[in-house]
Amino acid sequence: EPEVTQTPSHQVTQMGQEVILRCVPISNHLYFYWYRQILGQKVEFLVSFYNNEISEKSEIFDDQFSVERPDGSNFTLKIRSTKLEDSAMYFCASSVTGSLATNEKLFFGSGTQLSVL
Amino acid sequence: KQEVTQIPAALSVPEGENLVLNCSFTDSAIYNLQWFRQDPGKGLTSLLLIQSSQREQTSGRLNASLDKSSGRSTLYIAASQPGDSATYLCADDHNNNDMRFGAGTRLTVKP
Repeated sequence: EPEVTQTPSHQVTQMGQEVILRCVPISNHLYFYWYRQILGQKVEFLVSFYNNEISEKSEIFDDQFSVERPDGSNFTLKIRSTKLEDSAMYFCASSVTGSLATNEKLFFGSGTQLSVL
Repeated sequence: KQEVTQIPAALSVPEGENLVLNCSFTDSAIYNLQWFRQDPGKGLTSLLLIQSSQREQTSGRLNASLDKSSGRSTLYIAASQPGDSATYLCADDHNNNDMRFGAGTRLTVKP
């Protein structure tokens, strides 16, 4: 069964450093998302991406964050200057069309655990 | 503030028991509601999605219901098995897959 893959599974970085989290969505999917889950807290929406541009973003997704689809298969989340509070599990997800009119599920990757020291 | 709440936070049952997990949401203008399963160290697996116009969805031993007027959804698991042990999350979709998640119910099914 097709799946969303994320690399690395764990990332440790120093505060102030830039990190790039990588995702390979399911190949025929058109909508891509990043969510995060701080330890012990709820899963939170960060951003959705369609047709090479941001579709929606939350207030968490400030100027320190950016997303990119550098080629036909990868989808990346960049944090420009990491802070301690960025430590979380980051999940990538994808869906076929993102259409509200269809009975469509989101498919999530296994996540990247980011630890900022 | 619109939010999603799940009770109980944790539930432990013996194998074979039927059980119900509860989810409540404050935004009645949702487009759909999804139930997910999360295993430790793993991602989220979508179990069931209920469109706002639907009342319930079934998949195998799972049945999810939706009552928009009362802001409630339930996930019914029949004949529970140890392999069902996981955290179950509900999430409402209020803005084109900008989903709000509950904190989850951690289910343990004892052999």
